Amino acid sequence: DAKTTQPPSMDCAEGRAANLPCNHSTISGNEYVYWYRQIHSQGPQYIIHGLKNNETNEMASLIITEDRKSSTLILPHATLRDTAVYYCIVRVENDYKLSFGAGTTVTVRA
Amino acid sequence: EAGVAQSPRYKIIEKRQSVAFWCNPISGHATLYWYQQILGQGPKLLIQFQNNGVVDDSQLPKDRFSAERLKGVDSTLKIQPAKLEDSAVYLCASSRRDPTRRDTQYFGPGTRLTVL
Repeated sequence: DAKTTQPPSMDCAEGRAANLPCNHSTISGNEYVYWYRQIHSQGPQYIIHGLKNNETNEMASLIITEDRKSSTLILPHATLRDTAVYYCIVRVENDYKLSFGAGTTVTVRA
Repeated sequence: EAGVAQSPRYKIIEKRQSVAFWCNPISGHATLYWYQQILGQGPKLLIQFQNNGVVDDSQLPKDRFSAERLKGVDSTLKIQPAKLEDSAVYLCASSRRDPTRRDTQYFGPGTRLTVL
């Protein structure tokens, strides 16, 4: 699997959009971008995934650049409950493996 | 639907002792995973089961760790004997193996192990 690079931490204000970047410059054509998050003392939680098109669900939006070398997870209206470690993972379709890095610790402040 | 259940939530043992963790996956999920998460790091896959068969145990320290999934439902992960470096959170996850959902993994709350 391609490796990903994320900033170690970031802050955002409650009610504002949080934009979480991820670099995956060695991604292959059949690799998807997945995002999970882990709230303190809980297991990781699936957020969203995409291949090349932008994706949106009830939790977040995923913007993938045209060359697929980077992506951004957008939390449209961050709340205090969104404080967590966010993991960007690149994964081959139907491959069971999730290779977690250190992620980005996001702190939402009131 | 009920989520992945794990017990105990916390365990403290002395080094060289034995410990076992239990996991009950989401009903109907054929695939079960055990991960180890050391403080400050992301989870690392230890072993994957498909029903009651092992798919991948390449990262499992087999000299001290063992896992089983009898009858293809619940699973137990055991450490014998424990070392200080085994202190971590042990996460269980399950997935349906439904290709249309890209095999989303659902995680339990984990068991925090402290080895003294």
